[in-house]
Amino acid sequence: AQKVTQAQTEISVVEKEDVTLDCVYETRDTTYYLFWYKQPPSGELVFLIRRNSFDEQNEISGRYSWNFQKSTSSFNFTITASQVVDSAVYFCALSGYSGYSTLTFGKGTMLLVSP
Amino acid sequence: EPEVTQTPSHQVTQMGQEVILRCVPISNHLYFYWYRQILGQKVEFLVSFYNNEISEKSEIFDDQFSVERPDGSNFTLKIRSTKLEDSAMYFCASSEGLSGVQPQHFGDGTRLSIL
Repeated sequence: AQKVTQAQTEISVVEKEDVTLDCVYETRDTTYYLFWYKQPPSGELVFLIRRNSFDEQNEISGRYSWNFQKSTSSFNFTITASQVVDSAVYFCALSGYSGYSTLTFGKGTMLLVSP
Repeated sequence: EPEVTQTPSHQVTQMGQEVILRCVPISNHLYFYWYRQILGQKVEFLVSFYNNEISEKSEIFDDQFSVERPDGSNFTLKIRSTKLEDSAMYFCASSEGLSGVQPQHFGDGTRLSIL
């Protein structure tokens, strides 16, 4: 069975602070994919990034960066110089490679960025 | 940019009534999904659909639920006899390929309120 754990339920930061959202996953699949989705207060789910299990190269995209470490089963997400508009719930999700690859979501981390 | 469209955005229904939630996936996508998010909780997989049939379903997707692709563009979720605990946000998603290889793109959701 697959499982995604986001231990941080809520994080509050002040604008311009850096913030890291943690994600730990469990899977028996040798090939799998990891995702981050953002859910702003308006409620929609916005796809941010996808990573496959055989690509541990970390990535930076603007203010966002991701740290994938297979050895610790972690896929952490960092926002640099946070902004008020970053306030949202962030979900980490996992998909296997077998079957039709449905997404297993974590419980989400609510990020509150205050001015 | 093409997007997944869901209607209505909010549906209020009396307990015991039937409800149909509608989705228009992205036009060249082949895999379709429904997910549910009870208020304040994580997003949960309900069902996946490919080649005009259900490919996977979760324990939540019992006999009161059904899905259909009545024409080339719509994808519907029907709840036959709604219960109070069906109150949730329902998300439709679609992907071009298996969700590990291609990310799932979500609609804005339909908030279902059962009275």
